Amino acid sequence: EDQVTQSPEALRLQEGESSSLNCSYTVSGLRGLFWYRQDPGKGPEFLFTLYSAGEEKEKERLKATLTKKESFLHITAPKPEDSATYLCAAYGNTGGFKTIFGAGTRLFVKA
Amino acid sequence: DTGVSQNPRHKITKRGQNVTFRCDPISEHNRLYWYRQTLGQGPEFLTYFQNEAQLEKSRLLSDRFSAERPKGSFSTLEIQRTEQGDSAMYLCAGQTLVGDTEAFFGQGTRLTVV
Repeated sequence: EDQVTQSPEALRLQEGESSSLNCSYTVSGLRGLFWYRQDPGKGPEFLFTLYSAGEEKEKERLKATLTKKESFLHITAPKPEDSATYLCAAYGNTGGFKTIFGAGTRLFVKA
Repeated sequence: DTGVSQNPRHKITKRGQNVTFRCDPISEHNRLYWYRQTLGQGPEFLTYFQNEAQLEKSRLLSDRFSAERPKGSFSTLEIQRTEQGDSAMYLCAGQTLVGDTEAFFGQGTRLTVV
């Protein structure tokens, strides 16, 4: 069965302290891996799509990478406004049309 | 702004009542998804439409849940005889038919069953 697992569940950083969030996936025939940001009480906001191992994408302080088993979201010199829940999701050949989401990593950045 | 709007944003209802939520994607979103999200969890897939056709439903979607997308534009999700366990955020997402691209979410409808 397709599965997406994110770690850690929560991460507390000081402003400027770089770190990485992990997303492990077991999806047959991966067709796309997505990263979203979600603020409390709001819908997920799209960040990145990755399609194949070795692919990398960047946006401001965020960089997403993909291997055959994992994806990482690297946060460089985070600011308090980066505090949010970061969701990873995967879409494969055997899951029909559904995208499987992980439980998310709650990031807290302290000034 | 993703262009996907959901109404209402919040709904409080008594157990046993019926509720209906609406999702309006942009015209390019031939694909439309409904998800449910509870506190501390990621969104869980409920159902998928391609234009007006409902092509997939999750086992999570009991007989009390029904979704429609008449004319392939807006969509509605109805829950009959609500239970306290139905309390959650209901999210709608739109996606184009071009390749395996990302889906764009609305702001969700927060349902509280009392």
